[in-house]
Amino acid sequence: DVKVTQSSRYLVKRTGEKVFLECVQDMDHENMFWYRQDPGLGLRLIYFSYDVKMKEKGDIPEGYSVSREKKERFSLILESASTNQTSMYLCASGTGGFYGYTFGSGTRLTVV
Amino acid sequence: RKEVEQDPGPFNVPEGATVAFNCTYSNSASQSFFWYRQDCRKEPKLLMSVYSSGNEDGRFTAQLNRASQYISLLIRDSKLSDSATYLCVAKNFGNEKLTFGTGTRLTIIP
Repeated sequence: DVKVTQSSRYLVKRTGEKVFLECVQDMDHENMFWYRQDPGLGLRLIYFSYDVKMKEKGDIPEGYSVSREKKERFSLILESASTNQTSMYLCASGTGGFYGYTFGSGTRLTVV
Repeated sequence: RKEVEQDPGPFNVPEGATVAFNCTYSNSASQSFFWYRQDCRKEPKLLMSVYSSGNEDGRFTAQLNRASQYISLLIRDSKLSDSATYLCVAKNFGNEKLTFGTGTRLTIIP
């Protein structure tokens, strides 16, 4: 089975801190994604990447950046955390075509 | 208008009943479709892909109607363990992005 591992399950950070969320997949997938999930809004795409050092903005990239230095690792960076970035963050990976993606178990981030 | 729309529910259904969810999508460039299941405070997990010819996996049947741009999921002989939120998902070839509906919450009642 594909394994997608997110480094932290729960995280509490202060406003203004720089926050790193890490995601690692073990199946040599090209595509990796970062979503956030909020009640009533569903999953919204922040950034995605098709390959090493490639990144594309999703629907809500403001306040975030990403890094993909190695194929298996995709990091989400909150440059200066704000309270409106309190959310569940979900990483996913997969291949193209007719296949779905596998999600990590999520990081519940609280910014105080 | 949202790109993928679902009835949020909740659907409260007695155990053993059949329940059906529908989902509509607006982007005609969407090429492949999925149903994901999400338990409370957990990550979404792929339930099944949806093909034009329809596909079945045990008690679950998924269908796609491209002309009307809707997807359905049928659950027969529902179990208590089927209680979850079901997410309808569209994928565009080319950019490979998944677009999610906001989910339909299902509770199976003993």
